[in-house]
Amino acid sequence: DTGVSQDPRHKITKRGQNVTFRCDPISEHNRLYWYRQTLGQGPEFLTYFQNEAQLEKSRLLSDRFSAERPKGSFSTLEIQRTEQGDSAMYLCASSVPWREGRDEQFFGPGTRLTVL
Amino acid sequence: DQQVKQNSPSLSVQEGRISILNCDYTNSMFDYFLWYKKYPAEGPTFLISISSIKDKNEDGRFTVFLNKSAKHLSLHIVPSQPGDSAVYFCAAAGGTSYGKLTFGQGTILTVHP
Repeated sequence: DTGVSQDPRHKITKRGQNVTFRCDPISEHNRLYWYRQTLGQGPEFLTYFQNEAQLEKSRLLSDRFSAERPKGSFSTLEIQRTEQGDSAMYLCASSVPWREGRDEQFFGPGTRLTVL
Repeated sequence: DQQVKQNSPSLSVQEGRISILNCDYTNSMFDYFLWYKKYPAEGPTFLISISSIKDKNEDGRFTVFLNKSAKHLSLHIVPSQPGDSAVYFCAAAGGTSYGKLTFGQGTILTVHP
């Protein structure tokens, strides 16, 4: 399977605990994105990387959230001191930029987080 | 501030007929638009895109139309098939933030046999 993969697919945690998600992009893609999707809404942008550089962060990404992409390959998204409002689907996407002027992002299956 | 809006939460169509999904945007800086399809328990799958220099882009059964003056785009699926039943999201990009996609809320399409 050469698509974007995410691990775990589901995570249940208690309020106040820390969680970490992993995303493995398509191998030749140097851009990697994180989005969050809540019920009945479209995905909301959180942050993106070009290679190992984090180029943009949404204001949705509070101080409790941190994302890394060491060596420009896989990425991790950590949420510290989780709150019930963090319950959502966390989606990762990757792309090759500037193909035909714009990039098409390819999404992974997501990690569903439930905070009790 | 919802910059991309899909005002129809759901659409029901008979197999073989045309499905038309609509999307409106407010940000004049958007210059690239995409449609994604999403099945339950899967991530969104890219369908088709259009740059603001065009007003139409076609790929098989899927055609996207862009009306820049009205800040409106639509996705036409002809003919519709039961396997097209899914949630459809439109997304937009542009301005200084080339990496960020702004999504609409989605439209649930149901195609009846």
